[in-house]
Amino acid sequence: DAGVIQSPRHEVTEMGQEVTLRCKPISGHNSLFWYRQTMMRGLELLIYFNNNVPIDDSGMPEDRFSAKMPNASFSTLKIQPSEPRDSAVYFCASIRGGERLYGYTFGSGTRLTVV
Amino acid sequence: QKEVEQDPGPLSVPEGAIVSLNCTYSNSAFQYFMWYRQYSRKGPELLMYTYSSGNKEDGRFTAQVDKSSKYISLFIRDSQPSDSATYLCATRSNDYKLSFGAGTTVTVRA
Repeated sequence: DAGVIQSPRHEVTEMGQEVTLRCKPISGHNSLFWYRQTMMRGLELLIYFNNNVPIDDSGMPEDRFSAKMPNASFSTLKIQPSEPRDSAVYFCASIRGGERLYGYTFGSGTRLTVV
Repeated sequence: QKEVEQDPGPLSVPEGAIVSLNCTYSNSAFQYFMWYRQYSRKGPELLMYTYSSGNKEDGRFTAQVDKSSKYISLFIRDSQPSDSATYLCATRSNDYKLSFGAGTTVTVRA
């Protein structure tokens, strides 16, 4: 089990550029979550997919953020255009339906810096 | 007011000491309680989980939940330098959404 795989690990980009973060959930997990972590706000849920369908995107901060899950093994989080306040660590997490009691499995995160 | 409040610390203790971490929550619908450990530049990993009130022990770790006072605790006995990390409490009701505390940074000095 390779765990939840995120790429890139680090991303530095200039303000206004498009940023795409990628996530491969654990095989067999049918729920996927994108979180953002900052010192000021802690861990915030951005969006939740179940069986590749977005269920709750109320945490997406604004229209500059979009997320897709074209299949069970891949998801992207896109920021266009990026702004310095988007600098944070973005985590992807997955879980198998029916195992919610045990919490999520997180990836190692993508550290995004927008300059 | 955040749904889960946690003192961010930092907390520094000598090796072998007992570490005591606490959270309070506001939503009485929360039934599942978890502690995550996060090492520097890593994702959170599930450490302990409990359902409803009571205690749960796993080796050197003990998790306690008091639903009457909406209070969550984690105790680490015989702390080791390898326990140095950020510890996050998390809760949820019957849906999927976890509410996290801010995390407490713990350093165990050798």
